[in-house]
Amino acid sequence: DTAVSQTPKYLVTQMGNDKSIKCEQNLGHDTMYWYKQDSKKFLKIMFSYNNKELIINETVPNRFSPKSPDKAHLNLHINSLELGDSAVYFCASSQRTVRELFFGEGSRLTVL
Amino acid sequence: SQQGEEDPQALSIQEGENATMNCSYKTSINNLQWYRQNSGRGLVHLILIRSNEREKHSGRLRVTLDTSKKSSSLLITASRAADTASYFCATDRDSNYQLIWGAGTKLIIKP
Repeated sequence: DTAVSQTPKYLVTQMGNDKSIKCEQNLGHDTMYWYKQDSKKFLKIMFSYNNKELIINETVPNRFSPKSPDKAHLNLHINSLELGDSAVYFCASSQRTVRELFFGEGSRLTVL
Repeated sequence: SQQGEEDPQALSIQEGENATMNCSYKTSINNLQWYRQNSGRGLVHLILIRSNEREKHSGRLRVTLDTSKKSSSLLITASRAADTASYFCATDRDSNYQLIWGAGTKLIIKP
């Protein structure tokens, strides 16, 4: 069983479109994250939820909106996609008292 | 913000040799972690070392932490082709769940 699963794995879309990436974890963790990894492998935290509450909201365009329907799910919706949004987006989870992160396999977004 | 800096950015060695990667950071930390990322995959946690620890081992991995120099090193002994990956350090400086990541070291093990 995959611990942290995200879909889709690949996403190719046109500028201006809206898209969503879904993430689910079956580890029973209370904290979930969205990271963006650019072409130079640089990892940037975007959002983090603890028990469905937003606790980290880094400076990202408000075209990006996370949503956590429950502790096991954290989705990312992106409006009006731009070329600069092309990247690999990683979902991760952890238990608050244990700082080890478990990552999904990533969703590669290409905006044309 | 990016705090950790890995050094070197890239490292290419022969299979069987030891590989050493370094990570420097700027502020005081609670702990430091190392992760591996194989090409096209997610990051995998390798080891966590707390600020009051100086050395930690896990299999062929050895991590050291020098808080006075604000640096850590990851040593992989007897490298294998499967160790080819990017290695990232991440520091944990406060309780707001935010890890600060380095830019990674790309390790290539030549057969």
